[in-house]
Amino acid sequence: EVHLVESGGGLVQPGGSLRLSCVASGFTFSSYWVNWVRQAPGKGLEWVALIKEDGSEKYYVDSVKGRFTISRDNAKNSLYLQMNSLRAEDTAVYYCARGRLQHWGQGTLVTVSS
Amino acid sequence: DIVMTQTPLSLSVTPGQPASISCKSSQSLLFSDGKTYLHWFLQKSGQPPQLLIYEVSSRFSGVPDRFSGSGSGTDFTLKISRVEAEDVGFYYCMQSRQPPWTFGQGTKVEIK
Repeated sequence: EVHLVESGGGLVQPGGSLRLSCVASGFTFSSYWVNWVRQAPGKGLEWVALIKEDGSEKYYVDSVKGRFTISRDNAKNSLYLQMNSLRAEDTAVYYCARGRLQHWGQGTLVTVSS
Repeated sequence: DIVMTQTPLSLSVTPGQPASISCKSSQSLLFSDGKTYLHWFLQKSGQPPQLLIYEVSSRFSGVPDRFSGSGSGTDFTLKISRVEAEDVGFYYCMQSRQPPWTFGQGTKVEIK
C-alpha cells in the first residue's frame, strides 16, 4: 500500500525558513515524479512544485520561484521542500503527492505569523 | 499559465439524483502523446484530496462507477449518476498538461 508521510511543519515568523519532508513507502519511489501541493485555510488547492524521478527537472508555481526548492533523496525514499523568505500567504497545509496526484499524504501545516 | 474554471461553485443535490460539474480550461489539454491531462478530485472534510478520474474519463482504483468523466480539448464534465450522502465535499478539476499544474476553484457539493 502506498504511504506518504509529511513532517516539518510548524509556526515560523515572516522571512523565516522551514524544511518539509515526505517519506514514501509501498512503492518504488525512484520511479515516480513527486509533487508538493498546498491548501491555505478555507481555500482551494494550489500545486506548488514537481520533481522528476531522478531530480533532473524541477518545476514551480510562480509565487514560490526563487524562495522554495524541491529536492529528493531516492536512497531514503524522501522528498523535501526547502522554504525560505516565508510570507503570511504561504500559510497552508502542505501535501506531498505521487505522480499525477494519484496518492496523497495527510499533510503538514505551515503557519507564517509573527 | 492554464486557467481552470469550474461551474457551478456550489451544488445541492437530493440523494439518488444526478449531479454534473463543468470545467473549462483556457488552453487545450491535449498533449502530443495523444492523452488529455484533465483530472478530477474529491476532498472530503478533514481529509486530503482523493483522485476520482484521470485523463478525462478513466476511473481511479476503487472509485464507484456512478462517477464518470467526459469532454475534450478545453471543455470537461464530471457526472455523478446518483448522488449518495458520502459524495459530499469539494470537487476539483486539475490540469497536468504543462507546469504549473493548475486546479479549478472547487465545487462544493452538499445533500439536500
